[in-house]
Order: sequence, then C-alpha cells, then structure tokens
Amino acid sequence: AQTVTQSQPEMSVQEAETVTLSCTYDTSESDYYLFWYKQPPSRQMILVIRQEAYKQQNATENRFSVNFQKAAKSFSLKISDSQLGDAAMYFCAAPKNTGNQFYFGTGTSLTVIP
Amino acid sequence: DAGVTQSPTHLIKTRGQQVTLRCSPKSGHDTVSWYQQALGQGPQFIFQYYEEEERQRGNFPDRFSGHQFPNYSSELNVNALLLGDSALYLCASSLFGTLAGGQETQYFGPGTRLLVL
Repeated sequence: AQTVTQSQPEMSVQEAETVTLSCTYDTSESDYYLFWYKQPPSRQMILVIRQEAYKQQNATENRFSVNFQKAAKSFSLKISDSQLGDAAMYFCAAPKNTGNQFYFGTGTSLTVIP
Repeated sequence: DAGVTQSPTHLIKTRGQQVTLRCSPKSGHDTVSWYQQALGQGPQFIFQYYEEEERQRGNFPDRFSGHQFPNYSSELNVNALLLGDSALYLCASSLFGTLAGGQETQYFGPGTRLLVL
C-alpha cells in the first residue's frame, strides 16, 4: 500500500533551537512535488515548503529547509531558530503513483518551549 | 489577491440529512480538490475537479458528490449524513499540472467544520 509515514507523533523544541521532522513516502514516479504543510490550532493548512523531486538542491524558505533523499524516499523538514509561532501540527504530503491526488501523513505535533 | 475561500465555516446537521459545502479557488487556479480531515488525523482525499469534471476520486462512497462551475468554484455534497461524517472539510485549489500528483502547489481554504448529530 502506498503511504506517507511521519514516525514522530510529537516533537518539542526549545525556542531558538533547531528541530527536524521526518517523513518517508512511497512512489514509483520520477518527477513529482513534495510538500510540508503547517496546521495551527485554527486548523488552516498553510504551505511551509515545496520540494521538486527532479531538483537535487534542497528547498529553503527562510528558517525552513528540507533534507531530500530521493533514493531513500525521505523528506525531512528542518526548522531553525524555532519561534513560539511555529507550534502546530506539521503534515508531509506526497503524490499517489497514478492520478491526481496526494497522500498526507498522520502529522507531527510540534511544541515550542519558551 | 483573495486566497481560497470556503462557506460556511461551521455547520451542524442531523443524521440522514444532506449538506452542501462551497469553495472558491485562489485567483488564477483551475483545479479544486476536496479533503476530509477527522480530528487527530491527516487530510484524506475525496475527489478533484478540473474543467468541470471529476478527475480523480479517493476511497469515499457515492454519498459524496461534487460539482465544479465554469468560474472554477466548486461544491461538495454529502447525502444521508452519518455520525462518522463529522470532520473538517478542506478545499484546496491549484493549477492543473503534468507532474505526478497532476497538479502544482495546493493552497488550502480555512475549512468547513461539519458536526453530525
């Protein structure tokens, strides 16, 4: 079965420190996008970062960066200089093998400790 | 530039009733996907609309149906509501693309919280 796995249901980080959230996925496609989304208590899904699988360079958006290992089908999110506003659920999303849909992982709940 | 909008924000229905949820995509987007998110879980794909047609469907019964209008807005209809249909319903819009997943980046609306009693 095709899945997206987030193995860390909960993570915590001290304010200003760095944390890495892990994600693995399963696809037989060669060209695709991967996404990390943030969902705060308001439950609005907010795009954090996008990785294009055909690009070897890891995506970066300000304090957010990814470590993309295509062969290992691993797509982790690194948050540097963590801020209180980073506290949220984080979801990884990867495409289904065929068709136009994405699978989401079960999420990682991030707590930022002041 | 307006983002994705959804209405209503909250809804309470009773078992057996029917509900219609609405979504307006981000300006310039042509593809709308609907997701169901139960409490404590990730979003589950319901279906996707492009060019007014259902292009892909997830593992949801026929009680879930939809429509896309010429202005790209979309509706999600759920008939014969069950208690288990209580969830956050998310709409996401994107540009139809050619990479796996068939679309460019999805942007989500704020969701509609449906409670079935």
